[in-house]
Amino acid sequence: AQSVTQLGSHVSVSEGALVLLRCNYSSSVPPYLFWYVQYPNQGLQLLLKYTTGATLVKGINGFEAEFKKSETSFHLTKPSAHMSDAAEYFCAVSLSGGYQKVTFGIGTKLQVIP
Amino acid sequence: KAGVTQTPRYLIKTRGQQVTLSCSPISGHRSVSWYQQTPGQGLQFLFEYFSETQRNKGNFPGRFSGRQFSNSRSEMNVSTLELGDSALYLCASSLFASGNTDTQYFGPGTRLTVL
Repeated sequence: AQSVTQLGSHVSVSEGALVLLRCNYSSSVPPYLFWYVQYPNQGLQLLLKYTTGATLVKGINGFEAEFKKSETSFHLTKPSAHMSDAAEYFCAVSLSGGYQKVTFGIGTKLQVIP
Repeated sequence: KAGVTQTPRYLIKTRGQQVTLSCSPISGHRSVSWYQQTPGQGLQFLFEYFSETQRNKGNFPGRFSGRQFSNSRSEMNVSTLELGDSALYLCASSLFASGNTDTQYFGPGTRLTVL
């Protein structure tokens, strides 16, 4: 079984400041890891994903995440927050190989303060 | 290429009724997954269909059911609606089954309100 923990249901940053959204996972086998963003009244959009290979993953809109197996973490970062980054962010995990369901974290709402 | 479409976008029902939601995946995608999103429980996996077969099922009662047609379009049905079924229901499609490296693309969701 797999699970995801997102630390902080609400995060506030100033415009131009570093964005750091935390995600820890538990998995019995190598995981696939994802970050999604959801804007109000919209579905989820994939920001980035880790499957295998390079542990630093670059995504859209300037976001990136680093897979750290020893820490079972997959934190999302962006060097400089924009007002348009205000949204809810979801970390998700699925198990490698075969047909597996995706498990999502509870979500983190990012507020960007001008 | 058109994205994932879900109909209807908004729905209001009363307790005890049943409801059917529809999802049209991206052309060529064979996998459709359904999720329920609520403020308290977050995103919870309902079920996944691949080539008309249910591949995975989440921990939901039997009142929640689904099916997939030969053109990959999917429907989910909720019978005997309860107040707690009020949620945003999201559909996602991908070329292959979830858990693969393939990306899931989400639709805008159907907002169901049960009165």
